[in-house]
Amino acid sequence: DTAVSQTPKYLVTQMGNDKSIKCEQNLGHDTMYWYKQDSKKFLKIMFSYNNKELIINETVPNRFSPKSPDKAHLNLHINSLELGDSAVYFCASSQGAGGQETQYFGPGTRLLVL
Amino acid sequence: AQSVAQPEDQVNVAEGNPLTVKCTYSVSGNPYLFWYVQYPNRGLQFLLKYITGDNLVKGSYGFEAEFNKSQTSFHLKKPSALVSDSALYFCAVRGLGGGADGLTFGKGTHLIIQP
Repeated sequence: DTAVSQTPKYLVTQMGNDKSIKCEQNLGHDTMYWYKQDSKKFLKIMFSYNNKELIINETVPNRFSPKSPDKAHLNLHINSLELGDSAVYFCASSQGAGGQETQYFGPGTRLLVL
Repeated sequence: AQSVAQPEDQVNVAEGNPLTVKCTYSVSGNPYLFWYVQYPNRGLQFLLKYITGDNLVKGSYGFEAEFNKSQTSFHLKKPSALVSDSALYFCAVRGLGGGADGLTFGKGTHLIIQP
């Protein structure tokens, strides 16, 4: 069984569109994250979400908004897509928000904005 | 602010030889250190972590890493490389605060094992 899953796996869209990426974890974890991996493979935290507390990386544009309907899901909504949003987006989860907790990653969603 | 440096973009090793992938870190206080591996078009897989205690940490697939506080390093090692170890390896650090900061990753090191 997949521990952290994301849909879709690939997403190709036009500039200006609004899109969503879904993430689900079946590990029973209570903390979830979104990371962005750029074309040079550099990974950067975008959000972390724990017990309804959302922590936003200050460099993330407000066009990006995470939404968590329940503990097992953290979806990513992106408004007014731009060319620079093209990247691979990874969802992750951990048991607790402590620094020592291992984060488990989903397979990634490859977003291409044309 | 915390940071991680992986000084080598690529490491080439012959199959059967020992391998080392280097990582140094900077963080306030005691660090939590992680290694992840990424195969092409796949997500990140957790290999091992250092939290506290023994400086030599053993992980998945025969990998181990040695925490060296004085050198602020956490190098990944394996005694005998396999072709299947070829992948992109990331070192990551997290401070005691956890939560908001998430993991801070190095830029990654491509490990190529030659038959």
